[in-house]
Amino acid sequence: EPEVTQTPSHQVTQMGQEVILRCVPISNHLYFYWYRQILGQKVEFLVSFYNNEISEKSEIFDDQFSVERPDGSNFTLKIRSTKLEDSAMYFCASSPQSGANTEAFFGQGTRLTVV
Amino acid sequence: GESVGLHLPTLSVQEGDNSIINCAYSNSASDYFIWYKQESGKGPQFIIDIRSNMDKRQGQRVTVLLNKTVKHLSLQIAATQPGDSAVYFCAENSGGGADGLTFGKGTHLIIQP
Repeated sequence: EPEVTQTPSHQVTQMGQEVILRCVPISNHLYFYWYRQILGQKVEFLVSFYNNEISEKSEIFDDQFSVERPDGSNFTLKIRSTKLEDSAMYFCASSPQSGANTEAFFGQGTRLTVV
Repeated sequence: GESVGLHLPTLSVQEGDNSIINCAYSNSASDYFIWYKQESGKGPQFIIDIRSNMDKRQGQRVTVLLNKTVKHLSLQIAATQPGDSAVYFCAENSGGGADGLTFGKGTHLIIQP
């Protein structure tokens, strides 16, 4: 069964450093998403991406964050100058279409720890 | 602001019993709802969805009920099994564009042997 894959599974970084989280969405999907889940809290939407550009972003997704689809298969989330409060699970998701009646398929997540 | 939320943070049921997990939403524009299951250390896994033009949908051992009048969503799991132990999230999408899902806070379902 096709699945969304994320690497690495766990990333430890020092405060102020840049990190890149990687995702390979399901191959025939067109819409890609990043979500964040701080430990013990709900999953929060960060950004959606379609046709090589950002479609929607939340208040969390500020200038510190950027996304890219560099080669037609990978979908990356870059966090510049990480802060302690960026520590969370980051989930990538993809869907074949957008909007209502659309199931998003989630990856296993990358646990980011900022020290 | 409008939000999707859950009534109970933890629910403990005996194996074999039925369980009901509830969710309240406040965005009247929501027209699509999903229940996700999240096991420890894993990403959310789709369980079942329902459109706003329906009030009930059944899957294998799961049923979702939607009451638009009171903006309430529930997930019923029949004949619970140990593998059902997880955190369950409701999520909603108000449609249009590449909207992200809005998740509720989650209910931790514990299946007692």
